[in-house]
Amino acid sequence: SQKIEQNSEALNIQEGKTATLTCNYTNYSPAYLQWYRQDPGRGPVFLLLIRENEKEKRKERLKVTFDTTLKQSLFHITASQPADSATYLCALGPSNTGKLIFGQGTTLQVKP
Amino acid sequence: DAGVTQSPTHLIKTRGQQVTLRCSPKSGHDTVSWYQQALGQGPQFIFQYYEEEERQRGNFPDRFSGHQFPNYSSELNVNALLLGDSALYLCASSFFRTGISSYNSPLHFGNGTRLTVT
Repeated sequence: SQKIEQNSEALNIQEGKTATLTCNYTNYSPAYLQWYRQDPGRGPVFLLLIRENEKEKRKERLKVTFDTTLKQSLFHITASQPADSATYLCALGPSNTGKLIFGQGTTLQVKP
Repeated sequence: DAGVTQSPTHLIKTRGQQVTLRCSPKSGHDTVSWYQQALGQGPQFIFQYYEEEERQRGNFPDRFSGHQFPNYSSELNVNALLLGDSALYLCASSFFRTGISSYNSPLHFGNGTRLTVT
């Protein structure tokens, strides 16, 4: 069956460092991959989308890579800030549907 | 420009009861998807509505049903509630795109309805 795995343990880093979160998947060939941020008691907020034919995408301090051979995506936050502390979810989807398969999320804690 | 709104924000029900959750999509969006998120887990896809019809369904029993209205708003109904139905129920809206591109518009989520079944 399709499976998505994110770092189950919380990631604790110092302010100013780069945070790197991992998303691995098996038994699936997604057309695209998305990353969302979720704060406690709130719904997920879309951050970035990367398609299967793209290797890297950037948006301000965020960078996402997508390796369809390794079946892995890496999500980087450079110059991290305490305000970046949240749970980050990766989600995979086929084309032209709203059916996303989410990972369980990784909680990031940035300490000042 | 209002985002996705869900009501109620919290709900407590007894096992065996029925519940209806409501969602208004973001302005300009025509597709609504519902997700269930258990504590400490990622959201799980329940179903998606477009043009007032259920277009896709996840691995959820028939106790879960929905509806989409002409104004694109949607309801999620759950019958015969079980303790395991306790979760955060998220509504997400998007704009359905057709054509050659395989791009799918990102989902805009509401803040959910926290359902507790006792």
